[in-house]
Amino acid sequence: KAGVTQTPRYLIKTRGQQVTLSCSPISGHRSVSWYQQTPGQGLQFLFEYFSETQRNKGNFPGRFSGRQFSNSRSEMNVSTLELGDSALYLCASSASPGQGSYEQYFGPGTRLTVT
Amino acid sequence: EDQVTQSPEALRLQEGESSSLNCSYTVSGLRGLFWYRQDPGKGPEFLFTLYSAGEEKEKERLKATLTKKESFLHITAPKPEDSATYLCAVHSHGSSNTGKLIFGQGTTLQVKP
Repeated sequence: KAGVTQTPRYLIKTRGQQVTLSCSPISGHRSVSWYQQTPGQGLQFLFEYFSETQRNKGNFPGRFSGRQFSNSRSEMNVSTLELGDSALYLCASSASPGQGSYEQYFGPGTRLTVT
Repeated sequence: EDQVTQSPEALRLQEGESSSLNCSYTVSGLRGLFWYRQDPGKGPEFLFTLYSAGEEKEKERLKATLTKKESFLHITAPKPEDSATYLCAVHSHGSSNTGKLIFGQGTTLQVKP
């Protein structure tokens, strides 16, 4: 079974630009969660999507948004980039959190550098 | 507020020198505790899930245990390839049925030959 895939793997953007990251979950998984990882803050939850609906959102500004498609693939968007948005963005998929299994499997991440 | 604290932040061991990593948690009802391994520049790799106090899971040289307040990851006779950052995460009733995990800051383990 193929794992979680994320594209692109690396991105360099300039302050003020916007960026879109993509995530394809493990086949059959319907939940996709996004996390931001930085050396200072560690792994922080951004949001989670299930059946195309955002079910939970972390404490991040409205510049961070996401969506999920009918095939469970997900995208996240960051608008008006700031230097502090430089981080590793991780996507994780899980089967059916509502049925008691909350194990999440992570992709390799997208390394975003804002200059 | 749900919180996860890992200790130590960094650990250096000689090959074969067994030790334990600690994960203390404060949550509004534990639904599950997870251990991950993360190598530099890669995403976290799932290791174990623990659901209730007293539960234990093993995989090769790793053994995870759970109490009502903390979890331990025991590493027996480690090898250099066990060098990585080990992350602990919890899923709580505060997250309802959504996929929000709260992570600790991690323990970076270095095993010298």
